[in-house]
Amino acid sequence: AIQLTQSPSSLSASLGDRVTITCRASQGIGNALAWYQQRPGKTPTLLIYDASSLDGGAPSRFSGSGSGTDFTLTISGLQPEDFATYYCQHFNTYPPALTFGGGTKVEIK
Amino acid sequence: QVQLVESGGGVVQPGGSLRLSCAASGFLFSSYGMHWVRQAPGKGLEWVAFIWFDGSKDYYADAVKGRFTISRDNSKNKVNLQMNRLRHEDTALYYCAKGIRFLEWSMPEFDYRGQGSFVTVSS
Repeated sequence: AIQLTQSPSSLSASLGDRVTITCRASQGIGNALAWYQQRPGKTPTLLIYDASSLDGGAPSRFSGSGSGTDFTLTISGLQPEDFATYYCQHFNTYPPALTFGGGTKVEIK
Repeated sequence: QVQLVESGGGVVQPGGSLRLSCAASGFLFSSYGMHWVRQAPGKGLEWVAFIWFDGSKDYYADAVKGRFTISRDNSKNKVNLQMNRLRHEDTALYYCAKGIRFLEWSMPEFDYRGQGSFVTVSS
């Protein structure tokens, strides 16, 4: 089964900072990667799908890149509502399976 | 607006059974696959199961295969998760979620107001 490793597991940043989170897949997955945000006590929200496509409800300061095994989520200009945990996710067509990374918690410095 | 309301959680002994339900509204339920995703206390997200829009196929995480069964009733806009032979490690908050793509196996979209249903497996 494909494993997703996120780094770092947590980070501290200030308002307005540019933040980058990395997700590495244990084998090549093309661009079948999504990013979710989960605020404390809330359900996850889809930000990015197909590695770099911004979901309709996500702010444009979020961007995704990468393909194969290495992917990044970038937040350009951290806002107060962005302090949350971020998960990458691989969606496999066959065999059907869905895997989440371990998460990256973004905290206020 | 997608609305998903989970119910049926509770405390159960190891080896016991529990059935979760999720009532859906705000979208054409019969045209979307549905997921269950869980989150153990203080831990990350774990995908559990998916069922196709018409109930014709279902998929499971290895951790629950053979113990959990996902089903749906399109006449009632409900998806269920029957959980048997429960283990301590099944303790988690269980969310249902809608597939993002019409008539396809696709990644989950959650209800932003969702509360989930908590399952505690304890003796």
